[in-house]
Amino acid sequence: DTGVSQDPRHKITKRGQNVTFRCDPISEHNRLYWYRQTLGQGPEFLTYFQNEAQLEKSRLLSDRFSAERPKGSFSTLEIQRTEQGDSAMYLCASIPSGGANEQFFGPGTRLTVL
Amino acid sequence: DQQVKQNSPSLSVQEGRISILNCDYTNSMFDYFLWYKKYPAEGPTFLISISSIKDKNEDGRFTVFLNKSAKHLSLHIVPSQPGDSAVYFCAASEENFGNEKLTFGTGTRLTIIP
Repeated sequence: DTGVSQDPRHKITKRGQNVTFRCDPISEHNRLYWYRQTLGQGPEFLTYFQNEAQLEKSRLLSDRFSAERPKGSFSTLEIQRTEQGDSAMYLCASIPSGGANEQFFGPGTRLTVL
Repeated sequence: DQQVKQNSPSLSVQEGRISILNCDYTNSMFDYFLWYKKYPAEGPTFLISISSIKDKNEDGRFTVFLNKSAKHLSLHIVPSQPGDSAVYFCAASEENFGNEKLTFGTGTRLTIIP
């Protein structure tokens, strides 16, 4: 399967702990997006990479959140000092440069903060 | 401010009949619209899209209609099948120097009754 993969699929943590999620986009897709989905809502944009450059961050991404894509391939999303309000599904999507706008999503990482 | 709205949280349709899902948007800068389908514990799967230069796009059982003056789009599924039962998200994007981040609605849960 050469789709977008995310790891872990589920993460349960205690409030105040740090967590890191990984996303492996489809090979050759140079644009990568992170979204967050809470219960009863649609996915909300968090941040966007073109290759290794982080080009936009949503105001939803507080200073406790950091994302990287060091070699322009996989990406990581870290949340420091987690809060209960961070509980959500974190989705990653990728798209090739010059492609249409159809983003390919991974299965997501469900975060539960106790 | 919800820029993409799906006012029907749920819809039940008899198998074999037509399913019509509706979506409204407020941002006149949106120029590309997409429908995604989501099963529980999976990421959204792209279904069909339409550019603002068109008013209709068809792909098999799925047709999307766009009414720009009304800022309204709809997804028609005919005939509806049990496997179509899922949550459907409407999404929109605007040309932004290659960052086509998606703005999603809150979703409509479609249930096909056998």
